[in-house]
Amino acid sequence: DAGITQSPRHKVTETGTPVTLRCHQTENHRYMYWYRQDPGHGLRLIHYSYGVKDTDKGEVSDGYSVSRSKTEDFLLTLESATSSQTSVYFCAIRSGLHQETQYFGPGTRLLVL
Amino acid sequence: AQKITQTQPGMFVQEKEAVTLDCTYDTSDQSYGLFWYKQPSSGEMIFLIYQGSYDEQNATEGRYSLNFQKARKSANLVISASQLGDSAMYFCAWGQTGANNLFFGTGTRLTVIP
Repeated sequence: DAGITQSPRHKVTETGTPVTLRCHQTENHRYMYWYRQDPGHGLRLIHYSYGVKDTDKGEVSDGYSVSRSKTEDFLLTLESATSSQTSVYFCAIRSGLHQETQYFGPGTRLLVL
Repeated sequence: AQKITQTQPGMFVQEKEAVTLDCTYDTSDQSYGLFWYKQPSSGEMIFLIYQGSYDEQNATEGRYSLNFQKARKSANLVISASQLGDSAMYFCAWGQTGANNLFFGTGTRLTVIP
């Protein structure tokens, strides 16, 4: 258990509305990540953070923004949700003996109607 | 972009038998890591095993072992003595050493038959 929680766990929203997903960790990890999981694509990196206020884009960042004002919280915002952003969103932290290993939160299932 | 290929969409194995899940990767990098994750029907992603590109021995974690063949760019997961609880999706992933992105394959759904 890497001490990662995500909220909400499930959300239904309408096209055009803003949505914010929260990732919270309790173990002071420096690196945090947001991925999305879609059928046929595995997981793909959206954005990541390497410290407070330090973030960078991943493979599929269009339509998403992130913020990290505290070590423990990493927020993912969909400014104007679209149906193509219906997905399962996973937060992850990097930790462990092998520094590349990422441990994932429980996921948030988002449906954009 | 790096490419991770899992060619088996679904696999079946008899309980207590061993099973191999295939994974190949395409990279010109020399320093990297390979990972396997399990995703049961409940949806969480569970880290199983890691193999570094410079590790000379294949990684093992309990009933999981990684058959690493660097020249062939393959990193197959072997599960010994399959249990019903092993039924899940399994994802292979690749990451360059020190980088932040893990690249995932599309997964293999394993079903263990009693």
